[in-house]
This record gives sequence, C-alpha cells and structure tokens, in this order.
Amino acid sequence: AQSVAQPEDQVNVAEGNPLTVKCTYSVSGNPYLFWYVQYPNRGLQFLLKYITGDNLVKGSYGFEAEFNKSQTSFHLKKPSALVSDSALYFCAGNTNAGKSTFGDGTTLTVKP
Amino acid sequence: DAGVIQSPRHEVTEMGQEVTLRCKPISGHNSLFWYRQTMMRGLELLIYFNNNVPIDDSGMPEDRFSAKMPNASFSTLKIQPSEPRDSAVYFCASSESRFRGSPLHFGNGTRLTVT
Repeated sequence: AQSVAQPEDQVNVAEGNPLTVKCTYSVSGNPYLFWYVQYPNRGLQFLLKYITGDNLVKGSYGFEAEFNKSQTSFHLKKPSALVSDSALYFCAGNTNAGKSTFGDGTTLTVKP
Repeated sequence: DAGVIQSPRHEVTEMGQEVTLRCKPISGHNSLFWYRQTMMRGLELLIYFNNNVPIDDSGMPEDRFSAKMPNASFSTLKIQPSEPRDSAVYFCASSESRFRGSPLHFGNGTRLTVT
C-alpha cells in the first residue's frame, strides 16, 4: 500500500520569511514523490518531483523540496515567501502503475 | 501547448438529469485521469485510461458513473441519473505515460452542482 500524509491543514507565514509545507510518505520500494499547487478555481499545477538522485529537488517559482529517506519525508520549502504563494499545496506519490495518491492538502497563507 | 481543456466550466442540473463532462488531454499524452474534489473527501481518483483503454475504474462510485475515451484526444465522464451528493469539482488530468515519474497536467475542472 502507498500513502502520503500532510500533517498540517494550514500554514501561515509572513512575507519574506522561509516557508515549509510538510509531507510524509509510506511506500514499498523506491518512492516517486511530487508536489502540486492549486490556486482558487484552477486545477492542480505540477511544481517538482523526486525520483532518484539528489535529495534536494528544485522546482518552479523558487520552490524546492528535501527528500529524507530516514524520516520518510518530502517537505516543500522556499527561502523567502511571497503573498502570491498563498494557495493549496498537495503532496503526491505514484504507484508502479502510474496512479497518484494525494495528501489532503495544506493551505498556505502568506501575510504581507 | 493549450493544456488540458475541460468543458463546461460550470454545470447546474436537477437531480435525476444526465450530466456529461468533457475533456481534451494534451496532445501526445498517453494517460488520462478523472478526479473528483470535495471538501469532505479531498481528491479522489475515479478512473484512468492508458492509450484510450480503461485501466482502473475502481474509484467510480457506482453504476451511475461511466467514462469513455473513444480516441486519444477526447474523453467523457457521464453521470446518469445525477444526485445532489455528486456535487463536486471534477478534474481531468493527462500525463505523458504510465511511467511513475510522469507528472499530471490538470484541466481547470468542471464545477457540478446538482439540486
């Protein structure tokens, strides 16, 4: 079985501060992990993925994610948050068959 | 690249009516997915196709739901008859292949309201 979990429903940060959105995973074998962002009234947009290689993955809009095998985590990070980063963020894992399992989502609010 | 195109963007219908949602995937993508999003249940995978063939429909809630993909550039999700509990945002997504590393590309969804 495969699952991902996002332990925080909501994350609030001040503009200019670093942000972290947490994700933990439970998979058998090698994990294939993704982050997506959803703005209001829009579909999910792909941000970045981890398949293999470097544990620090860089993606769109200045986001990065750190894969940690010992802690089974794949946290999304950004050094300096923008108000425009406010959105709903989803962590996802892919099965061998290419199916995506999504976390419940974390609402990020960046305050000016 | 026009992205994944879904129509209509909004659909309001009465209980018992038939509803058809439409999706045009990104050209060249071999896999297509239908998801449903609600506040209570989050994102649920309903069905997915690979090379126009349904691979897994275990997420389809009941026989009232059906999906087809007659060709590589078009898919439909039909609900007949519709019920108020079907109210949700329905997303179509496509990916280049079934390879585990292929990300999903989502359309902007169809917001369905069944009264």
